[in-house]
Amino acid sequence: EIELTQSPGTLSLSPGERATLSCRASQSVSSSYLAWYQQKPGQAPRLLIYGAFSRATGIPDRFSGSGSGTDFTLTISRLEPGDFAVYYCQEYGSSSRITFGQGTRLEIK
Amino acid sequence: QVQLVESGGGVVQPGRSLRLSCAASGFTFSTYGMHWVRQAPGKGLEWVALIWYDGDNKFYTDSVKGRFTISRDNSKTTLYLQMNSLRADDTAVYYCARDRIGTANAFDLWGQGTMVTVSS
Repeated sequence: EIELTQSPGTLSLSPGERATLSCRASQSVSSSYLAWYQQKPGQAPRLLIYGAFSRATGIPDRFSGSGSGTDFTLTISRLEPGDFAVYYCQEYGSSSRITFGQGTRLEIK
Repeated sequence: QVQLVESGGGVVQPGRSLRLSCAASGFTFSTYGMHWVRQAPGKGLEWVALIWYDGDNKFYTDSVKGRFTISRDNSKTTLYLQMNSLRADDTAVYYCARDRIGTANAFDLWGQGTMVTVSS
């Protein structure tokens, strides 16, 4: 089973700054099967990125995904107040083993 | 509008059963794979189960195999999760989520969640 490790656990930044969130897999992941989600308190998660690079419908281009193999990154170019939330990466290469990372909390500095 | 609405959560004693439902609307339910995902209080997301678009293929995380059963009724556009032999560590918010495709992909639509508490 693939394990996903996200870092840092908590990231403290100010609005307008650039955020870089990391997701490292225990074994190589096809880029086609890596996603990122945003979750705000009391809300369901929201899909941001799928296939490592593709933005989901309605997601602004401030959000971008990159990476390959075992190292993937979510970048938020200019933080807005609504971006402060918890972010999860996910691997979905097999129907029987779908895995989430433990999450990165992005908080206002 | 396009939405998923879960129901059926509540407080249940250990060892008992509960059935969750997820009513889908606004899209062609029968063409999408569907998932259940749970989140224990203060914890991260855990994938629970997947059912392909046609209902013929079902997959589970190891901790619920033999206890939980995912099913769907495409005529009623409803997804179900039958949970038996519930344990305290099954306590969580349970979300249903739509797959981007008919089998397994990213989850592009989520319900608001229903809380399940297993406690004596």
